[in-house]
Amino acid sequence: NAGVTQTPKFRVLKTGQSMTLLCAQDMNHEYMYWYRQDPGMGLRLIHYSVGEGTTAKGEVPDGYNVSRLKKQNFLLGLESAAPSQTSVYFCASSYSTRVSYNEQFFGPGTRLTVL
Amino acid sequence: GENVEQHPSTLSVQEGDSAVIKCTYSDSASNYFPWYKQELGKRPQLIIDIRSNVGEKKDQRIAVTLNKTAKHFSLHITETQPEDSAVYFCAASPAGGYQKVTFGTGTKLQVIP
Repeated sequence: NAGVTQTPKFRVLKTGQSMTLLCAQDMNHEYMYWYRQDPGMGLRLIHYSVGEGTTAKGEVPDGYNVSRLKKQNFLLGLESAAPSQTSVYFCASSYSTRVSYNEQFFGPGTRLTVL
Repeated sequence: GENVEQHPSTLSVQEGDSAVIKCTYSDSASNYFPWYKQELGKRPQLIIDIRSNVGEKKDQRIAVTLNKTAKHFSLHITETQPEDSAVYFCAASPAGGYQKVTFGTGTKLQVIP
């Protein structure tokens, strides 16, 4: 099993450019998440999905859009990149809520720089 | 919503000493408290977790304690080793329905050989 994978690993954008980050998981998880990680601020939730075809806003959703067309994939889009979106982006996935815990499995991260 | 505060932000200990990281949470509905370790340049990985029906859990050199009344929980690492050097995140999550996990801001632990 590959677990959670992310592409690309690194990317440099100019202000105003667009891009899509791809997250894929092979664990048949229902839930998927996108976080950004900035120094001193921990992991902040951007958007999440509780199942195929559903998405919802997290803590810091502005400037991002997501789609979950297939259960195993969760895409994060930046329509018009801004320097404030320079960050490390992590995707994660987890089991459904029929169990009382919620361990999240993280991807390797994407380091994005917006100039 | 839930708010998780974590202290200290940085911690340096001598190899062999103990390290303690503390977190507080605000939402009394939270009942699952995981701890993640993130080595430099790597992804966060779960190292231990605790549910609200227990007050303490141990796994070799790592232990977590939970005080639901005071809404705080702690990570204890004994006999620290250089490979324990990493950033540690606490988190809190409610049970039932969608379990949104709220993370603390992280503690950078440095173990000095």
